[in-house]
Order: sequence, then structure tokens, then C-alpha cells
Amino acid sequence: GENVEQHPSTLSVQEGDSAVIKCTYSDSASNYFPWYKQELGKGPQLIIDIRSNVGEKKDQRIAVTLNKTAKHFSLHITETQPEDSAVYFCAASMGYNNDMRFGAGTRLTVKP
Amino acid sequence: SQTIHQWPATLVQPVGSPLSLECTVEGTSNPNLYWYRQAAGRGLQLLFYSVGIGQISSEVPQNLSASRPQDRQFILSSKKLLLSDSGFYLCAWCAGAGNEKLFFGSGTQLSVL
Repeated sequence: GENVEQHPSTLSVQEGDSAVIKCTYSDSASNYFPWYKQELGKGPQLIIDIRSNVGEKKDQRIAVTLNKTAKHFSLHITETQPEDSAVYFCAASMGYNNDMRFGAGTRLTVKP
Repeated sequence: SQTIHQWPATLVQPVGSPLSLECTVEGTSNPNLYWYRQAAGRGLQLLFYSVGIGQISSEVPQNLSASRPQDRQFILSSKKLLLSDSGFYLCAWCAGAGNEKLFFGSGTQLSVL
């Protein structure tokens, strides 16, 4: 089955700097890659996603890039703000009901 | 718009007691429904999913069970809780096969003492 690895497990940046979180997946059949943000005590919130027919997608300060050949995808947050502090999860799916696999998460801290 | 409700937000239960967590979805019909567990500082583990009323698939053998008595209602249960059942439980939904956008509820923090 699919295996998703996420790095780093923790990331600390200064406010205004950029943050990059990377994930790799094992199954080349995966075609959907979402990113979730989870604040303390809350459920994960979908913040951006990308499908395998697209190499990059951007939404304001966040962007996701996908390299299908290398089987890795990354989340980029620019001009970080303290409210970006949270745990971020990547995931990969082949589009079946039960196959979405999540990375272990990255705890991002943005220092003011 | 669609919303997902999950309750209670926190729960403290003694070992051996029963459990019932409830999740409902509004604003959509025939959703796929999911129960996940998240151990402290860890990723998300899929426990159960359902593609329709009365249809439950289990991902891992465990002390828990799930039921879907109505189209937009998903219940997680246990007859006798174990210490190892402690964790953060999340309900989620998506619009069905081929639509992978998964939306999560606010979670239930379960502590078994």
C-alpha cells in the first residue's frame, strides 16, 4: 500500500520568512495530494490540494509543488505569520474510498 | 454549504465503560463517512469508513465498532473501553468515490482512565 513520509517533524521560522515542508510517496498510482492544517484541539482543515496532472498550485501565501517522477510534493508558505503556527499534514490518495494515507505531520512554529 | 458536527468535544471514561461518539453531516446526501484516530503527536489512522447506510468497513482490528443508522449519521462505539483507546477521534466526510476532498469534524479527545 501507499506510504507517505513527511519532513521535517518540527520547523521553526521567524515571522516573515518562508517555510517549506516536504513529503514523499511510494505508489506511483497516487493522483491526489492534499495538505491539512491542524490547530491545537481542532480537526485538520484542508488548505490546498493538487492533482497529478498539475505541477504547481498557488493560493495567496501558500503553494504546493508536485514532482511525479521523484514522487515528492512540497508545501511552501511565504511571508509567514504567527497564526500560521500549527501542525501540517500531507496526504496521498489514488481516489478510492479508503486509501488516503497521511504523513506524520510537521509542527510549524512562527516566532514573532 | 456542508457542515460536519461531532460530539462530545472531550470525554473522560473509566476502563471497561461503554463509548458512543456521534457525527452528523449537513448539506449533502450520501456522503462517504470516516472515523480516524490520532494518537498524541502522531498522524491519522483510519479506523472505519462507510459508503452508505448500514455499510461499514473496518481498517484495523480493534475494540471499537461503527454504525451508520442514517445517511448522514456515523457512530463510533465500544462495549468496554481499554486504556489504549485513549486518543483524539475525528469524523470526516467526502462527497464519494472520485471526489477525494476530505473534510474533518472538530474531534473528540477521549481519555480512558
